[in-house]
This record gives sequence, structure tokens and C-alpha cells, in this order.
Amino acid sequence: DTGVSQNPRHKITKRGQNVTFRCDPISEHNRLYWYRQTLGQGPEFLTYFQNEAQLEKSRLLSDRFSAERPKGSFSTLEIQRTEQGDSAMYLCASKGDTNTEAFFGQGTRLTVV
Amino acid sequence: AQSVSQHNHHVILSEAASLELGCNYSYGGTVNLFWYVQYPGQHLQLLLKYFSGDPLVKGIKGFEAEFIKSKFSFNLRKPSVQWSDTAEYFCAAKGGSQGNLIFGKGTKLSVKP
Repeated sequence: DTGVSQNPRHKITKRGQNVTFRCDPISEHNRLYWYRQTLGQGPEFLTYFQNEAQLEKSRLLSDRFSAERPKGSFSTLEIQRTEQGDSAMYLCASKGDTNTEAFFGQGTRLTVV
Repeated sequence: AQSVSQHNHHVILSEAASLELGCNYSYGGTVNLFWYVQYPGQHLQLLLKYFSGDPLVKGIKGFEAEFIKSKFSFNLRKPSVQWSDTAEYFCAAKGGSQGNLIFGKGTKLSVKP
């Protein structure tokens, strides 16, 4: 068990560029969550996958954000036309049906300049 | 709407002092509550959780929390803190039916050696 892995760990991008982050959950965890954490705040839920199906999206997930989990394993989160307000830590968590808690990755820190 | 509030933004203690971090939640249904810890540069890790049963929950590293339904509280306690407990602590409640979490803003704990 290598835990939840997120790549890259840090990303600096210019405003208006597109960025994509990857999350590799703990193997056999069918549930995958994306959260966003800004300075001084706790993580805020963005979206949820069960296997490859995206079952819930927060209203925080604007049209510029899209997430996929094509084979029910790893997931990607893409932000198009980044804005300075997108600067945050993006966290991924996974959970199996027999777990009572989610396991978090170390996150991808995005800085939009 | 569900919410989780943490009363203290930053707590500074000396080693061996006792710790209590406040957490209140607002939710009328079944309550699942968690405390996560984030050590500097590391991922969120579960300290303890409450689902049902004994309202006094014991977690890792000597932490415990008490669920008081009448006060909508789930305060975290430790009788004697160590320098290694320096971290940020997040209280969370299970949100929607898909298991996503609603987090408080976090409390930063600094323990002076």
C-alpha cells in the first residue's frame, strides 16, 4: 500500500493556461474525492467518483474545471483558463467500501501568476 | 446547510500542557465525525472518528474526543502535548450521501519545547 499519490506536487502556471493534475488512489479503492484547500481554510469538496462514474459535483466546480476517472483507477482534474483565484492546494482522497474513513494524498499546490 | 466550525485559529502551548480544541457541527441527521491532523509538509491523517456508540473516542498518539450531542460538539483533547504534536488539526463531518467530508477551517497548534 503506497497510499494516495498526487502529481505534480507543485505547479506554477500563468493566468489563462490550462493545467492538469493526476491522482492515483490506493489500489482497489472504488471511491475517489477531490478537494480544494485555500490558505486559512479547511479542504472544500469539489467532486466524487465511484469507480469511473462522477456522481457528485460541488457548485465550487465551475465550468472551467473538469475531472475524469476513465478506468476507475487514477483520476485527473483539469482547470482551463486558470485564474489567480484558482491558486490553492488540490487534494485527492480515496476510500474503499470497507473503510470508514478516506485516505488523503499530499496534494498538488497550484500557483497562478 | 451542514457546517463545521472550529473555535481556535492558532493555539500555542508549552510541552506537557493539556490541549482541548473545540469543534461544533450543525447537522440534524446521522452524525459521522472525524479529526484529521496535518503535520508540516505531510498529508492529512486520521486521528480519530466517531460513528456511534461510546461518545468518548480514543485515537492515535494519545488523542481523544468526546461527542456531546446536546452541544453539537466534538472537542479534541490530549492531556499532555509534545513538541511533535505541532501541526494543523481539522475537524470534519460526513457531508452528503456519497461520503464527502465537510471540514472546519482548522486549528494550528504550536508546541514550544
